Amino acid sequence: EVQLVESGGGLVQPGGSLRLSCAASEFTVSSNYMSWVRQAPGKGLEWVSLIHSNGNTYYAASVKGRFTISRDNSNNTLYLQMNSLRAEDTAVYYCARYCSSTSCPPVLRAFDTWGQGTMVTVSS
Amino acid sequence: QTVVTQEPSFSVSPGGTVTLTCGLSSGSVSTYYYPSWYQQTPGQAPRTLIYSTNIRSSGVPDRFSGSILGNKAALTITGAQADDECDYYCVLYMGSGIWVFGGGTKLTVL
Repeated sequence: EVQLVESGGGLVQPGGSLRLSCAASEFTVSSNYMSWVRQAPGKGLEWVSLIHSNGNTYYAASVKGRFTISRDNSNNTLYLQMNSLRAEDTAVYYCARYCSSTSCPPVLRAFDTWGQGTMVTVSS
Repeated sequence: QTVVTQEPSFSVSPGGTVTLTCGLSSGSVSTYYYPSWYQQTPGQAPRTLIYSTNIRSSGVPDRFSGSILGNKAALTITGAQADDECDYYCVLYMGSGIWVFGGGTKLTVL
């Protein structure tokens, strides 16, 4: 079964750092477009970042320069390194696959697989 | 910055039909924004409903359909059921590696 499992969330002080992990099963992270999406308490979904199958990375303006998306091909795992954390980064962070094909044809364009989420709380 | 707009809330009677929309604060949504739709119940991860404007995800009932209506993407639910009561989100690809979610629609079935 295609599956994503996030870990690494927790409580961190403002200005601190945290690294989230997302372990994938039954597909290869490096062959797909992989993303992080977050949801602040009581709020809507917010796209955060994506890493293309070719390694290119993209970020929402709200996190650019503070967050870094990466992947470990040997562990088939996606990461999100979060630095200079702020209270407004408090959210459930979901790992999601965008497209189930390296070529990402139009008919497959959606966040098609989601993890269960990991909670990040930024507070003193 | 362009905002993706959705109705904050909508109500439908059981068995009725409802159309939720996904627009832009400036401009029109077309298929080239690859709109997709998600359903989310409280405390759960989103569930993918629609890919790329109008392609139903595996296992999604055909009561759910996607389209472009006028200048917006649309999600239509026919024969609404009680368990359709939850939040619905759209997301648009804005180009240059940027995706933007709409604010979500809270659907009530009563």
